[in-house]
Amino acid sequence: EDQVTQSPEALRLQEGESSSLNCSYTVSGLRGLFWYRQDPGKGPEFLFTLYSAGEEKEKERLKATLTKKESFLHITAPKPEDSATYLCAVHIVTQGGSEKLVFGKGTKLTVNP
Amino acid sequence: KAGVTQTPRYLIKTRGQQVTLSCSPISGHRSVSWYQQTPGQGLQFLFEYFSETQRNKGNFPGRFSGRQFSNSRSEMNVSTLELGDSALYLCASSPVTGMDGELFFGEGSRLTVL
Repeated sequence: EDQVTQSPEALRLQEGESSSLNCSYTVSGLRGLFWYRQDPGKGPEFLFTLYSAGEEKEKERLKATLTKKESFLHITAPKPEDSATYLCAVHIVTQGGSEKLVFGKGTKLTVNP
Repeated sequence: KAGVTQTPRYLIKTRGQQVTLSCSPISGHRSVSWYQQTPGQGLQFLFEYFSETQRNKGNFPGRFSGRQFSNSRSEMNVSTLELGDSALYLCASSPVTGMDGELFFGEGSRLTVL
């Protein structure tokens, strides 16, 4: 069964304290991996797409990396406004040719001033 | 540019009833996908429509159905509601079909089943 596991479930950081969020996956037919950010009461907001092992993408204080079995979202010198739930999703194509997105349950990040 | 609009934002139903949720995608986007979000299961893919055709479907029972109109607006319907259907239902639009691209999500319709 296709699985996406995010860790930790929750993370508290002090402002400026860098850390990483993990997304590990056990899937077949991986086409791509996405990171989204979700604020309370809002829909997810796209951050990155990664397609192949070794790929890296950066946006402000965030950097996403991808290996064959996991992805990391590195947060450098976070600010309180980075507080949100970060979701990882994998794009899968099944043997029958259908596509789906499988999401992890997210990491809730809190950055204290 | 207006974002993805979902209506209603909140609704309460009782077991056995049915519900219809609406989604208006970003102008020019022809793909609309639906997701169920619960604290226990997280975000789960329901189905995706492109140019009025269902292109992809998740692992949900037949009580969950959808359709897309010629103007790309989409509706999803849940019949014979169960308590476990209580969730935030999110709609997302994309200019391309499939899951290979950025999705633009609405703020969701929160359904409570009593």
